[in-house]
Amino acid sequence: GEDVEQSLFLSVREGDSSVINCTYTDSSSTYLYWYKQEPGAGLQLLTYIFSNMDMKQDQRLTVLLNKKDKHLSLRIADTQTGDSAIYFCAPGQGQNFVFGPGTRLSVLP
Amino acid sequence: GAGVSQSPSNKVTEKGKDVELRCDPISGHTALYWYRQSLGQGLEFLIYFQGNSAPDKSGLPSDRFSAERTGGSVSTLTIQRTQQEDSAVYLCASSLAGTGGYEQYFGPGTRLTVT
Repeated sequence: GEDVEQSLFLSVREGDSSVINCTYTDSSSTYLYWYKQEPGAGLQLLTYIFSNMDMKQDQRLTVLLNKKDKHLSLRIADTQTGDSAIYFCAPGQGQNFVFGPGTRLSVLP
Repeated sequence: GAGVSQSPSNKVTEKGKDVELRCDPISGHTALYWYRQSLGQGLEFLIYFQGNSAPDKSGLPSDRFSAERTGGSVSTLTIQRTQQEDSAVYLCASSLAGTGGYEQYFGPGTRLTVT
């Protein structure tokens, strides 16, 4: 089955850029999602990219997809304290999505 | 409109007892998912309901776990003879369809603690 890996922790200073990386194994993944989980809350969809795209930009968020290397990244520009959360990547197709372990982003003042 | 709701928000139970966790999806959403999130872990898929189709139970960890969805709406996840390793946050999500490209809307979760 699909195996998804992420670094567990990332610390950045407020105002810097954050880059959260994700690797996966199933090359047939057609949708690749990023979810955000704030403390004590459920997950919220942040953004997603289709497998036929290399990049998607949405305001402060940039998603890069390298299908050859099965590598997905999420860049957050001008990181703010409100961005502190756990970020999950979830590649999949159909109803089958596999969530990574999540990257806990800490934003330091 | 209302989002996905789950109850109870917290549940403490003794080992060996049965528990029922409830999920109210967003009205009109045909797909419903249950996940388990253990401390510091990612989301573990448990079960998926899509309309009137037979549920995908491939993620249920043992036969102590079962789930049903009545009338295509509310779902109940039941854990029988709870064990300490069942302690986790149980998340429910719903979406408009089960196929890719549709956002899953998550509830706040039920935190289960088995003592």
